[in-house]
Amino acid sequence: EVQLVESGGGLVQPGGSLRLSCAASGFTFDTYWMTWVRQAPGKGLEWVANLSQGGGEKYYVDSVKGRFTVFRDNAKNVMYLQMNNLTAEDTAVYYCARDEAEYSSSSGYYYFLDVWGKGTTVTVSS
Amino acid sequence: QSVLTQPPSASGAPGQTVTISCSGGGPKIGRNPVNWYQHLPGTAPKLLIYNNDQRPSGVPDRFSGSKSGTSASLAISGLHSGDEADYYCAKWDDSLNGWLFGGGTTLTVL
Repeated sequence: EVQLVESGGGLVQPGGSLRLSCAASGFTFDTYWMTWVRQAPGKGLEWVANLSQGGGEKYYVDSVKGRFTVFRDNAKNVMYLQMNNLTAEDTAVYYCARDEAEYSSSSGYYYFLDVWGKGTTVTVSS
Repeated sequence: QSVLTQPPSASGAPGQTVTISCSGGGPKIGRNPVNWYQHLPGTAPKLLIYNNDQRPSGVPDRFSGSKSGTSASLAISGLHSGDEADYYCAKWDDSLNGWLFGGGTTLTVL
């Protein structure tokens, strides 16, 4: 069964750090881009970061640049999100998702997030 | 930054059809296809529609997607209480090199 399981969430003080993990199973992990998405309380889904198959390409939403780092260990089938200098605005449920890509002759390559985890909760509060 | 706009809420009676719109996404909205997700808070979001109008296996044909110009739509027919959830449109954004999500639409089955 294709599965993603997040862990590592918890309560942290402002300015603190936390490392989230996303454990993948049931598919060839190192052939997929991976993504982190978060949902703050009462808000919608927000893309946070994504990461190429080998980890060499990574992109972040502006609000986390310089504070969050995404990386992966393909030998362990795990993606991580290292979060530093956390603020209350980072309080959210964090989801990891798999980026799928398909190709059609009419529209070229197209992408979608086809597998998601159930999320892990991060609360930043004193 | 580009914005995808959805109505905050939608509703319909059991058996009826409801349509949720998604518009915007900057000058290149027409270039990248739109995907739709169903989300119950506390659970994993679920892919409903990809590439504007394609359904993953296992998604009932009551769910359909379309795109025209700078707008996309998700239609849900034969509404029942199990469809109550938040629905999000999303597209790849070339300037972000990441995903752009709409604000989400909360569907209520009356």
